[in-house]
Amino acid sequence: DSGVTQTPKHLITATGQRVTLRCSPRSGDLSVYWYQQSLDQGLQFLIQYYNGEERAKGNILERFSAQQFPDLHSELNLSSLELGDSALYFCASSETQGHYTFGSGTRLTVV
Amino acid sequence: GQNIDQPTEMTATEGAIVQINCTYQTSGFNGLFWYQQHAGEAPTFLSYNVLDGLEEKGRFSSFLSRSKGYSYLLLKELQMKDSASYLCAVRDRYDYKLSFGAGTTVTVRA
Repeated sequence: DSGVTQTPKHLITATGQRVTLRCSPRSGDLSVYWYQQSLDQGLQFLIQYYNGEERAKGNILERFSAQQFPDLHSELNLSSLELGDSALYFCASSETQGHYTFGSGTRLTVV
Repeated sequence: GQNIDQPTEMTATEGAIVQINCTYQTSGFNGLFWYQQHAGEAPTFLSYNVLDGLEEKGRFSSFLSRSKGYSYLLLKELQMKDSASYLCAVRDRYDYKLSFGAGTTVTVRA
């Protein structure tokens, strides 16, 4: 157990639907990062939060949004889902200068 | 932005040594990381370099040359369980986010 908790582990949904992925960071970590990993692709940075505030944004689609709550857990919202959104979505947390600790990921399948 | 290159695939024999190279270009460097990722699983941290030189950690070593924008990960005494993808990642100096290379798939053969 890495200390970073992601739910759900698996999600199957239809095109056009909306889903919410949840992440609880490791105790004491203020930074949360979201990454997308499509089949046989590298990790693509989506968005970063630090202590409740958005800190950096990658190539995140307008259909995707995220937030970090006062208790530091984070949610990634994906809407108007398309087949191409099927991927593994990872959350990671870190101390300011530390390495990332990744959660086990949410495997999203859009059918 | 970041531009990170590493080979796509490498194959080696059990007990041998493999070196995975990584080159990068970045507008603000704050460290280079190596992660291991087995298929369908989360990446796990292997090593970190922020200064030039070699960091050794058991069977794994990582080297960094900041002036050349170059790093390598050295895996010694390869075991079958080392078959995985190895990800090179560069941390940004300003927002601390990690940008990852596409990964190198290492296959260890008996």
